[in-house]
Amino acid sequence: QKEVEQNSGPLSVPEGAIASLNCTYSDRGSQSFFWYRQYSGKSPELIMFIYSNGDKEDGRFTAQLNKASQYVSLLIRDSQPSDSATYLCAVTPQTSYDKVIFGPGTSLSVIP
Amino acid sequence: KAGVTQTPRYLIKTRGQQVTLSCSPISGHRSVSWYQQTPGQGLQFLFEYFSETQRNKGNFPGRFSGRQFSNSRSEMNVSTLELGDSALYLCASSYGAQGYTFGSGTRLTVV
Repeated sequence: QKEVEQNSGPLSVPEGAIASLNCTYSDRGSQSFFWYRQYSGKSPELIMFIYSNGDKEDGRFTAQLNKASQYVSLLIRDSQPSDSATYLCAVTPQTSYDKVIFGPGTSLSVIP
Repeated sequence: KAGVTQTPRYLIKTRGQQVTLSCSPISGHRSVSWYQQTPGQGLQFLFEYFSETQRNKGNFPGRFSGRQFSNSRSEMNVSTLELGDSALYLCASSYGAQGYTFGSGTRLTVV
């Protein structure tokens, strides 16, 4: 079982819709969870981080964490063509707080 | 505030050679991590340094090594290059546990 798993996509949504990206992780003791966005040919950039169960909202982005089920999700409301990118889920495992494990990423395409 | 600076941006090397990549973190960031990114394997953790100490290392052969200097700048070295080492090498700096800021990366091509 891989440490961090994501649907590879591509996920296509129409402009203005809600995009839902999901991630599961294997280390039940993981403490920190991150979402990064990576445009083609660019390096990843941090969108959000979440530590506690529940929702965290930042503008059009909402991160949701459920530690009991070991999943974290990212919702993008009012999706825009500029949101088209690969979204990387990342987790800090309990055994290595100074190491961040990335999932394979989900490719999102927002269709105008 | 200057971002994370990686040099060089592009490198072409032949098999068997060695290469050194450099990374200057954001001022005040003492943690520097290195990742290898390939289309097939995604982002793979290489190692993490904090205050000149390697705190963690990924599952890469000993040909991959790194170090960090007292000013937090970091270098990684790959010796005896193989074709499979062709990848984008990303450096990331962080302050605390609030996520990384990545550099633009070094694209290494081994021929």
